[in-house]
Amino acid sequence: KQEVTQIPAALSVPEGENLVLNCSFTDSAIYNLQWFRQDPGKGLTSLLLIQSSQREQTSGRLNASLDKSSGRSTLYIAASQPGDSATYLCAVRYNKLIFGAGTRLAVHP
Amino acid sequence: GAGVSQSPSNKVTEKGKDVELRCDPISGHTALYWYRQRLGQGLEFLIYFQGNSAPDKSGLPSDRFSAERTGESVSTLTIQRTQQEDSAVYLCASSSQPASYQETQYFGPGTRLLVL
Repeated sequence: KQEVTQIPAALSVPEGENLVLNCSFTDSAIYNLQWFRQDPGKGLTSLLLIQSSQREQTSGRLNASLDKSSGRSTLYIAASQPGDSATYLCAVRYNKLIFGAGTRLAVHP
Repeated sequence: GAGVSQSPSNKVTEKGKDVELRCDPISGHTALYWYRQRLGQGLEFLIYFQGNSAPDKSGLPSDRFSAERTGESVSTLTIQRTQQEDSAVYLCASSSQPASYQETQYFGPGTRLLVL
């Protein structure tokens, strides 16, 4: 069964910390992996998409890595800010997108 | 339009009633997806449209759930005889590159359904 797991489920950090969100998946035969941000009452916003042949993608303070053979991805957020507070979802593309349950991040001033 | 829109944004209904949820995809996007997100959980795939046909409806949880799409435009998700376990946020997404390694799905804000 194709499953995606995210750890931790919730995280609260002071502003300025560097942090790592983890995503693991059971079936390594993926097309790509995507990290989304979800704000309350709003839809999902795509942050980074890593193709199966790639090892990492970067956008501003965000860096996502992919280790397909071990079934893992990490999202690294540098110098966190209160505006980063949201739920971060990892989604793995097989013949459809399979989502993890998300990590709820709170960054306090 | 500028993005994917969904209506209503919130819906409260009584158990046993039927509800219709609407999704307007980004203009020109051939693919449209419906997902369900229960409280504290990830998104569950419900159905995928390519144009107005649904090659994958494997995620529909029961025969009370059905969906239609008019051409490459609006889609409606209908839930008949609603149950309390149907309470969730229903999200719609569209894309221009379905089944592609490059595909990015663009999501609407969702409809929050509460069945009393």
